[in-house]
Amino acid sequence: DQQVKQNSPSLSVQEGRISILNCDYTNSMFDYFLWYKKYPAEGPTFLISISSIKDKNEDGRFTVFLNKSAKHLSLHIVPSQPGDSAVYFCAASESSGGSNYKLTFGKGTLLTVNP
Amino acid sequence: SAVISQKPSRDICQRGTSLTIQCQVDSQVTMMFWYRQQPGQSLTLIATANQGSEATYESGFVIDKFPISRPNLTFSTLTVSNMSPEDSSIYLCSVEGLAGAAGGNEQFFGPGTRLTVL
Repeated sequence: DQQVKQNSPSLSVQEGRISILNCDYTNSMFDYFLWYKKYPAEGPTFLISISSIKDKNEDGRFTVFLNKSAKHLSLHIVPSQPGDSAVYFCAASESSGGSNYKLTFGKGTLLTVNP
Repeated sequence: SAVISQKPSRDICQRGTSLTIQCQVDSQVTMMFWYRQQPGQSLTLIATANQGSEATYESGFVIDKFPISRPNLTFSTLTVSNMSPEDSSIYLCSVEGLAGAAGGNEQFFGPGTRLTVL
């Protein structure tokens, strides 16, 4: 049973427009969420995170929104650039119970930004 | 963030053989992890590599299949034993980052080892 779901395998947007990547989770114990970006033949690169005490975190062109009641988070990229084309992974962890290091990942969404 | 390297970057192996993957970090870290990403699937944690003691394995992964060494705070190895085609995956090591505001842990990943088992 997948606890972190990214239901869109792929997304295509025009350069300069907004990219919105979505992620849903089922485990109510998750309280820390992360987004990673992965280029081909490279490992995932940490992008941005958010704790459950917040509903928004912004870092430059990247903003993550968290809706705890819906168990949903999204990553907004504005404006999108061709260099943003990559696979984006959503991940979650729970800080209690001594396993706060464990990350549970979604399957990823391939973002393509067209010039 | 730490600089992490892995060897080999890729390999093609025969069924029944074993492959040892190395992970080297440019600074001392307490926690190192090994993940697997099967084709079309998410990254799945195999185990936590503990320095000076046995690795801690996640459900579904056992030491006989995935023995791990952690001789010091900058190096770890993962062995994939008695391989079958189902072991064809990308294997990644990661290390802990700085704790987040609520105690969450960003992790930093190596480039991965792409393994194909024939």
